[in-house]
Amino acid sequence: KAGVTQTPRYLIKTRGQQVTLSCSPISGHRSVSWYQQTPGQGLQFLFEYFSETQRNKGNFPGRFSGRQFSNSRSEMNVSTLELGDSALYLCASSLRVNTDTQYFGPGTRLTVL
Amino acid sequence: AQKITQTQPGMFVQEKEAVTLDCTYDTSDPSYGLFWYKQPSSGEMIFLIYQGSYDQQNATEGRYSLNFQKARKSANLVISASQLGDSAMYFCAMREGRGYSTLTFGKGTMLLVSP
Repeated sequence: KAGVTQTPRYLIKTRGQQVTLSCSPISGHRSVSWYQQTPGQGLQFLFEYFSETQRNKGNFPGRFSGRQFSNSRSEMNVSTLELGDSALYLCASSLRVNTDTQYFGPGTRLTVL
Repeated sequence: AQKITQTQPGMFVQEKEAVTLDCTYDTSDPSYGLFWYKQPSSGEMIFLIYQGSYDQQNATEGRYSLNFQKARKSANLVISASQLGDSAMYFCAMREGRGYSTLTFGKGTMLLVSP
């Protein structure tokens, strides 16, 4: 069974631009969560989706948004990029919410210049 | 207050020796889960082991075991017979309650295994 896939793996953008990151969960998994990892703040939770509904949201500004499609694939969007948005963005999937292990993808490394 | 505390920024161990990575947690929820993940330099988070708050026995997965001391709120990871490929960052994480899958992570411990 294929693992969690994330595209693109690397991305370079400039301040003020917007970016969309994609995550395909493990087949059959319906819960998708996103995390941001930076050297200063560590791993921070962004969003959690289940069956196309946002179940939980972390403490991030409204520039960060996400969605989940009927096939459980998820996208996150960051508008008006800032230098501080440079990070590794990790997507994780699980079969259901709150009872299953989350399995992570390889991440998308975003650099904002 | 931090929910997950990993007090060891870095640990060194020789190949074939055992090593313990510390993790303490803070929650008032009676239902929670504790996880350990490994992150090599490539960046992917690899699931290692899980312990539920109601589990009576310590979790084990191959060379990994979790020393769960509920009263002390600690969930230390023990790696037996370390291998060179174990060199990586190790994160302890907690999921609280029954409504969400959200994980709260510690700052991590960098483990270096020497020949």
